[in-house]
Amino acid sequence: AQSVTQPDIHITVSEGASLELRCNYSYGATPYLFWYVQSPGQGLQLLLKYFSGDTLVQGIKGFEAEFKRSQSSFNLRKPSVHWSDAAEYFCAVGSQGGSEKLVFGKGTKLTVNP
Amino acid sequence: NAGVTQTPKFRILKIGQSMTLQCTQDMNHNYMYWYRQDPGMGLKLIYYSVGAGITDKGEVPNGYNVSRSTTEDFPLRLELAAPSQTSVYFCASSYRTGRQEKLFFGSGTQLSVL
Repeated sequence: AQSVTQPDIHITVSEGASLELRCNYSYGATPYLFWYVQSPGQGLQLLLKYFSGDTLVQGIKGFEAEFKRSQSSFNLRKPSVHWSDAAEYFCAVGSQGGSEKLVFGKGTKLTVNP
Repeated sequence: NAGVTQTPKFRILKIGQSMTLQCTQDMNHNYMYWYRQDPGMGLKLIYYSVGAGITDKGEVPNGYNVSRSTTEDFPLRLELAAPSQTSVYFCASSYRTGRQEKLFFGSGTQLSVL
């Protein structure tokens, strides 16, 4: 069965600093990988996704993620964090079958200090 | 552009009461989903629908029922509320083009069962 691990429950960074959120997955075939962001009181919003092709994926709001098959990882990065990036971030893994097969990680809460 | 609309935003139920969480989308999406989000956990799929008149169970369907009489609406019914159903509930819809799919989430319903 597929699974997702986000090792960091809570991360705090200073505004302007770089950010990397970790995501490790377990999946038997080529995975579909996603990063979602959830602002307080809001639903989830898709940041970026990987299906195939270039392993470095660009998303919205200046985020990017790199798929590393050998490490079963799909880490999210941003070179310079803004205070508005404070939110909870979820990694998810799925298959070609569709969103009913998506498995979400437990999330990483990001705090941004001024 | 309303997107996915969920009502109510907050609700407190007594054990044994019933209620319906409403979800409607105006994007003409065929696929709709209900998730629950418990503190410190990722989203868990309760039920989903691939079109009007078609529904199927997700990972955690016990204690819930759904119906899909129209493309726009996908209500979630709790018949006998239990404390274990205290959670935040998210409705989502999506479209699929080939292998591509994008989920659009509502802003959630926070439910407490006391």
